Amino acid sequence: EVQLMESGGGLAQPGGSLRLSCAASGFTFNSYAMNWVRQAPGKGLEWVSVSSGDGTVTYYADSVRGRLTISRDNSKNTLYLQMNSLRAEDTAVYFCAKAGGSYRGAFDIWGQGTMVTVSS
Amino acid sequence: DVQMTQSPSSLSASVGDRVTITCRASQGISNYLAWYQQKPGKVPKLLIFAASTLQSGVPSRFSGSGSGTDFTLTISSLQPEDVATYYCQKYNSAPWMFGQGTKVEIK
Repeated sequence: EVQLMESGGGLAQPGGSLRLSCAASGFTFNSYAMNWVRQAPGKGLEWVSVSSGDGTVTYYADSVRGRLTISRDNSKNTLYLQMNSLRAEDTAVYFCAKAGGSYRGAFDIWGQGTMVTVSS
Repeated sequence: DVQMTQSPSSLSASVGDRVTITCRASQGISNYLAWYQQKPGKVPKLLIFAASTLQSGVPSRFSGSGSGTDFTLTISSLQPEDVATYYCQKYNSAPWMFGQGTKVEIK
C-alpha cells in the first residue's frame, strides 16, 4: 500500500526550531518529487517546498525561504523539513505529498499531516 | 509568480444540480492544472490532473476542462458526499500555487 506518514510536529517557541519527517512506503521513493504543503487553522492550502526525486533540485515558497529547509534520504525513504526561526504564522498542519513525476506533477498521495504550533 | 484565482469562493446547490467552479491563472500554464477535494477534517484528495484527466477511482460525475489560463471543474450531479472545499493548483513551474478554495455546500 502506498503510504506517507509525517511526524515531528508539536509546540515550538517563536524563533525556535522543529524537524518534521515523512516516511514513505509502497512506491519507489527516489523516482518522485516530494512536497511539503501546509494549512493554517481554518485556511486554505499553501505549498511550502519541493525536492526532486534525486534531491538535487529544491524550491521554496517566498514565505519560508531562508528559514525552512527540505531534504530527503532516499536510502531511508524519508523526507524532512528543518524548520528554523519559527514564527507564529508558521502554525499549521504540515502535509507531505508525493508528486506524479520526478520533478513536478499533481500531488497524488498525501500524508495525514502533523500539527505545528508556534507560540510562547 | 503566477497567481491562481478561484470563483466562486463558496456555493450552495441542491442534490442533483450541475456545479461549476472556475480557476484562472494570471499567466498561461498550458494544462499543468490539478483539482483537489478536501472534506471537512480530512486530507486533500487528487481529483483531476493535466486539467482534464480523472484520477483513478474518482467518480465520473467530476470532470475538468481548460488550458492556458482558464479552467473549470464540473460536478455533473451534486451528491451529499461532495460537500467539501475544492482547490485548483498549478504545477508547470515552481511555486506550485493553490487557488484560495471553493466551499461547496448542499442547499
